Amino acid sequence: GAVVSQHPSRVICKSGTSVKIECRSLDFQATTMFWYRQFPKQSLMLMATSNEGSKATYEQGVEKDKFLINHASLTLSTLTVTSAHPEDSSFYICSARDHLKGGGDTQYFGPGTRLTVL
Amino acid sequence: QKEVEQNSGPLSVPEGAIASLNCTYSDRGSQSFFWYRQYSGKSPELIMSIYSNGDKEDGRFTAQLNKASQYVSLLIRDSQPSDSATYLCAVNGGTGNQFYFGTGTSLTVIP
Repeated sequence: GAVVSQHPSRVICKSGTSVKIECRSLDFQATTMFWYRQFPKQSLMLMATSNEGSKATYEQGVEKDKFLINHASLTLSTLTVTSAHPEDSSFYICSARDHLKGGGDTQYFGPGTRLTVL
Repeated sequence: QKEVEQNSGPLSVPEGAIASLNCTYSDRGSQSFFWYRQYSGKSPELIMSIYSNGDKEDGRFTAQLNKASQYVSLLIRDSQPSDSATYLCAVNGGTGNQFYFGTGTSLTVIP
């Protein structure tokens, strides 16, 4: 399957700072990437859909000014958590949409970034 | 009604048994169906995809699709403790070509 990388894998920061997370599709081009958040023992929660060259589409309840998404190229999307607070501590996972040879699309996930805000 | 529904479990099976995971979806126009496995503390990993009615086998895994009943399942034969994880069902290709994930079924294989 296709490979998606995320960096950093783990970050600890002080409250009030901003944190940038990078998501890269390594062996395919992804016009669409997705950002998810997952709290312990809970299911994935879609935060936003990132489209190359255009504004991201945010899910209801997700603050676009707090979670800045940039999809500047076909292989890179970034999520910046601005003025992070302890309640933003979570596991952030990106995925990239890929077209399958047999038709249709699928999503490949990055390894995730564990954010801890002190 | 959720787009994709799964029994959250937990589902426990003894080692060597068959684990059966089920998923239903609401959009009859859906075209592509996927199973992901997520170990605790890790991100989801794609393990199976299926597009046509019937069965698709890959090693110990068999995906089953019944579009008339809007039902997709995953069978794991000869279950191993290493299969213990949360299994996510995903559906794509219906209205708006949206992706929908179920909330996952937690599977524990008991040695």
